[in-house]
Amino acid sequence: QKEVEQNSGPLSVPEGAIASLNCTYSDRGSQSFFWYRQYSGKSPELIMSIYSNGDKEDGRFTAQLNKASQYVSLLIRDSQPSDSATYLCAVEGGKLIFGQGTELSVKP
Amino acid sequence: SAVISQKPSRDICQRGTSLTIQCQVDSQVTMMFWYRQQPGQSLTLIATANQGSEATYESGFVIDKFPISRPNLTFSTLTVSNMSPEDSSIYLCSVPGLTSSNEAFFGQGTRLTVV
Repeated sequence: QKEVEQNSGPLSVPEGAIASLNCTYSDRGSQSFFWYRQYSGKSPELIMSIYSNGDKEDGRFTAQLNKASQYVSLLIRDSQPSDSATYLCAVEGGKLIFGQGTELSVKP
Repeated sequence: SAVISQKPSRDICQRGTSLTIQCQVDSQVTMMFWYRQQPGQSLTLIATANQGSEATYESGFVIDKFPISRPNLTFSTLTVSNMSPEDSSIYLCSVPGLTSSNEAFFGQGTRLTVV
């Protein structure tokens, strides 16, 4: 069974710090990887997609992919209280498989 | 991304009854997806709805419990039948991205409570 694993958290960081969110996956054939942000009571919102090994930066967000290690991460620089949410890792392998999410809390 | 309208946004239902959730998209899409998010859990795919054919259900989900309609390329419904408290969840419809079909975009969800 294909699996996507995340630390459930909660992960607490001070405002302005770097938040690091991690995800591992079991299907070596996966080619597409996504990070979603879900605020409490809201639906998931796509914030990053990554398809190739290495880093992909978009504003304060950097996604990192290492297919050999079956590992994908999300770094949030200069974390803000508005970043407080649950972050879901999703891996495409025929269908989207979601991790259980990591709750991030950014303290002012 | 497409604009996805889902309704109702929430409902409280009696056990044994059924609820139909509607999902409307502002552009034509080949596939629409229905997910369930149980309290404190991640998203689980229920089924894929293709226009003009029967929906494809994931393991653990059956048509009798979750019948799906897909009458055209912009609309789908999911019915939760013969509800029990275990069906209390958020139900989400999703469509692929306009530029990348691997990406998924979600409606605002339906928060269902069964009492």
